[in-house]
Amino acid sequence: EAGVVQSPRYKIIEKKQPVAFWCNPISGHNTLYWYLQNLGQGPELLIRYENEEAVDDSQLPKDRFSAERLKGVDSTLKIQPAELGDSAVYLCASSSTGTSTGELFFGEGSRLTVL
Amino acid sequence: AQSVTQPDIHITVSEGASLELRCNYSYGATPYLFWYVQSPGQGLQLLLKYFSGDTLVQGIKGFEAEFKRSQSSFNLRKPSVHWSDAAEYFCAVGGSLNNDMRFGAGTRLTVKP
Repeated sequence: EAGVVQSPRYKIIEKKQPVAFWCNPISGHNTLYWYLQNLGQGPELLIRYENEEAVDDSQLPKDRFSAERLKGVDSTLKIQPAELGDSAVYLCASSSTGTSTGELFFGEGSRLTVL
Repeated sequence: AQSVTQPDIHITVSEGASLELRCNYSYGATPYLFWYVQSPGQGLQLLLKYFSGDTLVQGIKGFEAEFKRSQSSFNLRKPSVHWSDAAEYFCAVGGSLNNDMRFGAGTRLTVKP
């Protein structure tokens, strides 16, 4: 079974440029998460989707960040414009609420460097 | 709202020595508790989880953790550490059905030869 796939793995951009990250969750997983992980910190939730609905986006900085999961499968997280402080790892995770196990499966992350 | 505290930012142990990583949580109901491990440049991998029942749970790679409700703790242990265990360890607490999982800041484990 394929795991959570994220791309790109690494991205270097200049400030004020836009950037987008893509995530393909495990097949059949209806819940998808985007987490932000700063250096030396634990993951912090940005947004959680149940199917195509964003059920928790309270921590998403909506002035510059946006996300979509149009068909309830893969998802895109966008930053426009990027700022120096956005340099971090963006983790995608998925889970299946049907099993009630609570386990999240993580991708390898997309490391963003803003110059 | 739930929260997780991992008091130790960095721990160094010798290979073959025992290990205990501390985790304290705050949650208004019975929590779902997890330990994840992250190797450099990798995503997080689940080591073990506690939902209910036996308070001592076994995980992968020889790890175990004990849920102590009276102390609001879920400490991770391993009797004999291997060099390959060097990584970042995260404790997490969540509610039912994956809602609102919160992670601690992590403990970085260094293993000395």
